[in-house]
Amino acid sequence: GALVYQYPRRTICKSGTSMRMECQAVGFQATSVAWYRQSPQKTFELIALSTVNSAIKYEQNFTQEKFPISHPNLSFSSMTVLNAYLEDRGLYLCGARGQGTGQLYFGEGSKLTVL
Amino acid sequence: QQQVRQSPQSLTVWEGETAILNCSYEDSTFDYFPWYWQFPRESPALLIAIRPVSNKKEDGRFTIFFNKREKKLSLHITDSQPGDSATYFCATGTGGYKVVFGSGTRLLVSP
Repeated sequence: GALVYQYPRRTICKSGTSMRMECQAVGFQATSVAWYRQSPQKTFELIALSTVNSAIKYEQNFTQEKFPISHPNLSFSSMTVLNAYLEDRGLYLCGARGQGTGQLYFGEGSKLTVL
Repeated sequence: QQQVRQSPQSLTVWEGETAILNCSYEDSTFDYFPWYWQFPRESPALLIAIRPVSNKKEDGRFTIFFNKREKKLSLHITDSQPGDSATYFCATGTGGYKVVFGSGTRLLVSP
């Protein structure tokens, strides 16, 4: 079956430091990977969409300078939260989709706590 | 501009009743409509999805009713069980790649 693993599951970091999270697709080729953030008491905000052979598209209010993403192959993606502050707290979810299917498979999320 | 709207924000039903969760969207180019459910401290999981070629999709006790003309859809949960208590997110997607979520409906099924 198709699975998506995210690592780490949770991180506590000091304000102003950075946190890198990884997303691994297993059982399918992740032709597109979407990164979301679920802030406390909020819905899922799309941060960026990365599609193989296309430029990474960031949503409004999110930038490459703040959330650099790497999608080097069809099974792996990573995103870093640079200079994390309180407003960056939340659950970061990786959603990966394979070619020809509409289903988005989510990882279990990487929870970021900023002190 | 909120692309996907859900109502109600929260809903409580008795065990055995039918829960109805509503969703509307803005962009008529959306062609994929998944519903996700999320239990506390867990990530969302796909529950059921529909494409505009159909106006109804059924999977056990869960049914999506889709009205393309009005850009509305609803999720009906028949014979609701306490284990159905979760937050339900309506989502829409374009071209099979970009998925946008609604704000969610928190469902509580009381025994």
